[in-house]
Amino acid sequence: QSALTQPASVSGSPGQSISISCTGTNSDVGASNYVSWYQQHPGEAPTFLIYEVAKRPAGVPERFSGFKSGNTASLTISGLQTDDEAVYFCCSYAGRSKVFGGGTKVTVL
Amino acid sequence: QLQLQEAGPGSVKPSETLSLTCSVSGDSISHTSFYWAWIRQPPGKGLEWVGSVHNSGGTFYNPSLKSRVTVSIETSKHQFSLKLTSVTAADTAVYFCARENWLQVFFDYWGRGTLVTVAS
Repeated sequence: QSALTQPASVSGSPGQSISISCTGTNSDVGASNYVSWYQQHPGEAPTFLIYEVAKRPAGVPERFSGFKSGNTASLTISGLQTDDEAVYFCCSYAGRSKVFGGGTKVTVL
Repeated sequence: QLQLQEAGPGSVKPSETLSLTCSVSGDSISHTSFYWAWIRQPPGKGLEWVGSVHNSGGTFYNPSLKSRVTVSIETSKHQFSLKLTSVTAADTAVYFCARENWLQVFFDYWGRGTLVTVAS
């Protein structure tokens, strides 16, 4: 199984909206709605942002939203804030296995 | 609040076995809705799921690592463990333990991670 494909970096100014894509195959992203997203600040463990493509766990701001079409999932951050500067990973169920994306570095300009 | 803490040697020699333990506190390790997972991150790279174990002893492994990985659980000690045999430099990584919601497939609680370096 190959890692899901994410852009290496995305940037935006405070208050703007950005989107991060996560492209897989018919065997993972395209095969189920079990896509999740994680945020990782430098030197820290990842934290859980989105599950089942678009659901937010308690405590995650509405600024974070998820979507999926075909083999590509996406995470949108609206109203970008300085604390959103981090690396974001997607993850998909892949038939008894899980596969992560390579990560996207978000820079707040 | 659930907490997970990894423990184990910070370095392992090539061809030897990497062994790590994750201690779980703040909630039961025996919830049937959850698996307990190991995920690793090579320096400067992305995340890789290694394997998961249920309190029943059931396991799932990354196919690329399956021949070398064993994940086990000791519910009486509130711990689960990782063994990775025949390590090489490519196994150098920060190893995270995490709780996995197996019904909805996400990792909701993570340990802080521990760096394991494979070097002679």
